[in-house]
Amino acid sequence: SQQGEEDPQALSIQEGENATMNCSYKTSINNLQWYRQNSGRGLVHLILIRSNEREKHSGRLRVTLDTSKKSSSLLITASRAADTASYFCATDDTDKLIFGTGTRLQVFP
Amino acid sequence: NAGVTQTPKFRVLKTGQSMTLLCAQDMNHEYMYWYRQDPGMGLRLIHYSVGEGTTAKGEVPDGYNVSRLKKQNFLLGLESAAPSQTSVYFCASKWGQVNTEAFFGQGTRLTVV
Repeated sequence: SQQGEEDPQALSIQEGENATMNCSYKTSINNLQWYRQNSGRGLVHLILIRSNEREKHSGRLRVTLDTSKKSSSLLITASRAADTASYFCATDDTDKLIFGTGTRLQVFP
Repeated sequence: NAGVTQTPKFRVLKTGQSMTLLCAQDMNHEYMYWYRQDPGMGLRLIHYSVGEGTTAKGEVPDGYNVSRLKKQNFLLGLESAAPSQTSVYFCASKWGQVNTEAFFGQGTRLTVV
């Protein structure tokens, strides 16, 4: 399977804490993307990092990419209850968009 | 702008029945994808298309067929449904080959009994 893996599978934190999720993948990539999914809904794009970039920021999100280790991490700072959702990484290797297994994040008020 | 629309939203099939799921996008995107989502498995790519008239197999294509006769529509067919095809199906589209984000439909929940 080309599917990547994310860890942890589940993460529970208090509001205000930071949440870090990791993604490992198997193939060469053009870019890596992170998506969010609220329960029962479609996925929504959060951030894209190109293969020649090492770090990218967007609001409270910080993404890193290490192509030598085939891994990426997503950091959500100062989490809020509204951040409760599942988060997926996806690798874009020209034509295919392959998703990881996801991390379920629960943020308690 | 509706974005990506999936039809139907829910369906119950009996084993052996056939059905077609429709994905329509109004963003003039070239690339379209069909995924299935099962608990603990994330999203797995079934088939995809890089333009009108083209289709290709993804990670889990067995038991499914697809067609892209019009650029805006991507159809996923189940010829003879099996209980193992019970899942939530998502369609996605994106504009170009490199460094573009994908937009998702709201999903179709399919149960095969």
